[in-house]
Amino acid sequence: DIQMTQSPSSLSASIRDRVTISCRASQSISTSLNWYQQKLGKAPKLLIYAASTLHFGVPSRFSGSGSGTDFNLTISSLQRDDFATYYCQQSYNTLWTFGQGTKVEIK
Amino acid sequence: EVQLVQSGAEVKKPGESLRISCKGSGYSFLSYWINWVRQMPGKGLERMGTIDPTDSYTNYNPSFQGHVTMSVDKSINTVYLHWSGLKASDTAIYYCARVLPAAANDYWGQGTLVTVSS
Repeated sequence: DIQMTQSPSSLSASIRDRVTISCRASQSISTSLNWYQQKLGKAPKLLIYAASTLHFGVPSRFSGSGSGTDFNLTISSLQRDDFATYYCQQSYNTLWTFGQGTKVEIK
Repeated sequence: EVQLVQSGAEVKKPGESLRISCKGSGYSFLSYWINWVRQMPGKGLERMGTIDPTDSYTNYNPSFQGHVTMSVDKSINTVYLHWSGLKASDTAIYYCARVLPAAANDYWGQGTLVTVSS
């Protein structure tokens, strides 16, 4: 199985901060990596797929990078609407495992 | 507008059976696979399995194989998730999600809360 490990598990940040969330795969997954945002009580929303492609309608302050085993999700200037939990997901094999999530909270 | 609309919340007893649904609209239903994803209370996301609405081909996460069954009714653009014997540990929110060719889930249902309690 491919294990996905996110860091940190949670973080506190202020509006307009630059925030980076990391995701590490237990083996190489090329660029088969997706990022989702989930707000409390809501379904997840796709932010980025194939490691760096911004999904339609997602603000440009979100960006993704990485390949192989190490990936990042960066929010260039944190907005109030961005406080949520973020998940990475590998789609390299059909198990499509998720990371454990990173909760972004207001400082 | 692409929409996945799921059936409502359910409260069941252990051992009972249950079928929840996910109806797609606003797109070519047969052109996209559907994933089912579980989220247990306060926990993360787990992909349960995938169904191809064209031919009902299914691929289950081994952790869920044999405990749930996915099916489709193409005539009404609806996929289903079925349990024949619920357990308390099945208490969770279940989401359906459309699968892009890039193997990402771009549209999600609103979720169905299933509570299993004696």
